Formats: sequence, structure tokens, C-alpha cells
Amino acid sequence: GENVEQHPSTLSVQEGDSAVIKCTYSDSASNYFPWYKQELGKRPQLIIDIRSNVGEKKDQRIAVTLNKTAKHFSLHITETQPEDSAVYFCAASPGGSYIPTFGRGTSLIVHP
Amino acid sequence: DSGVTQTPKHLITATGQRVTLRCSPRSGDLSVYWYQQSLDQGLQFLIQYYNGEERAKGNILERFSAQQFPDLHSELNLSSLELGDSALYFCASGGGTDTQYFGPGTRLTVL
Repeated sequence: GENVEQHPSTLSVQEGDSAVIKCTYSDSASNYFPWYKQELGKRPQLIIDIRSNVGEKKDQRIAVTLNKTAKHFSLHITETQPEDSAVYFCAASPGGSYIPTFGRGTSLIVHP
Repeated sequence: DSGVTQTPKHLITATGQRVTLRCSPRSGDLSVYWYQQSLDQGLQFLIQYYNGEERAKGNILERFSAQQFPDLHSELNLSSLELGDSALYFCASGGGTDTQYFGPGTRLTVL
């Protein structure tokens, strides 16, 4: 089955800095890659997603890049703010199954 | 608000007991997915139902079962509970695409 590795497990930045979280996946059939943000005790919220026919996608301060050849994708957050502090999960989903495999999460801490 | 509802929000019970968690998907969504999230763990997929039928199974224990009713709400039944079953249980709904929307979760504590 699919295996998703996510790094780093913890990321501490100063407000205004950029943050990058990286994920690798193993199944070349995966074609959907969502990112979720989860605040403490709350539900995971979809913040951005990308499909395998696209190399990059942006939404305001958030961007995701995908390298299908290397089987890795990354989340980029620019101009970080304290409210960005949360756990971020990446996931990979093989086409047709709609069952994502999640990474173990990255705890992002943005210091004011 | 994702449009997915889950009840109860919190559940405290004893080992050996049985509980039922309920989920209502977003209006129009036919799929319901159940996940378990233990402390410091990622999201573990348990089971998926689509329009009343089981579609996929993940790491679901035999002590756990689920069903989806004609009105599309779903219930996750957990029996012979153990301390290690304490976790957040999320359901998510989907409308036939890859995108899933998570409910607020049920926090289960087994004492």
C-alpha cells in the first residue's frame, strides 16, 4: 500500500518567516495530494490540494508543489502569522480509491 | 463549519463497554469515512461507506463495526473497549471526488 513520510515533525519559525513542510510518497498511482491544518482538539481542515497533472498551486500565502518523478510534494507558507500555528498533515490518495494515506504530521509553531 | 456533524462530542466510558458514535455527512455527499486519531498519532483510516454499502476497509479492529443508513448517516460501534481505544474519532464525507470534509470529532475516553 501507500506510504507517506512527512518532515519535519516540528517546525519553529519567527512571525514573517517562511515555512516549508515536505512529504514523500511511495505509490506512483497516487494522483491526489491534500494538505490539512489541524488546531489542537479540532477537526482537520483542508487548506489546499493538488492533483498529479499540476506542478504547483497557490492560494494567497499558501502554495503546494509536486514532483511526480521524485514522488515528493511540499507545502510552502509565506509571511507566517501566529494563527498559522497548528499541526499540518499531508496525504496521498491513489486514483479511484479516494482513501488517503496521511503523513504523521508537522507541528508548526510561529513565534510572535 | 464543514457541514459534517458528529455526536456526541465527548464520551467517557469504562473498559469492556460498548459505545456508538454517530455521523451525518454534508448534504448531497454519499460517502462517509471513519478515522481514528490517537495522541501524537496521525489519522488512521478505519472504514468507508458509500450510499449504504461498505466500500473500503482500513485498520479497523474486529471489535469495531460500522454501518450507513438509508438517510446516509453513519454509526461506528466500538465494543469490548480497551484503554488503548481512547482517541479522537473523526468522520469525513465526500461527494464522489477525492476531497474529504471532516466533522468536529468525538473524543472517546476509556477509563
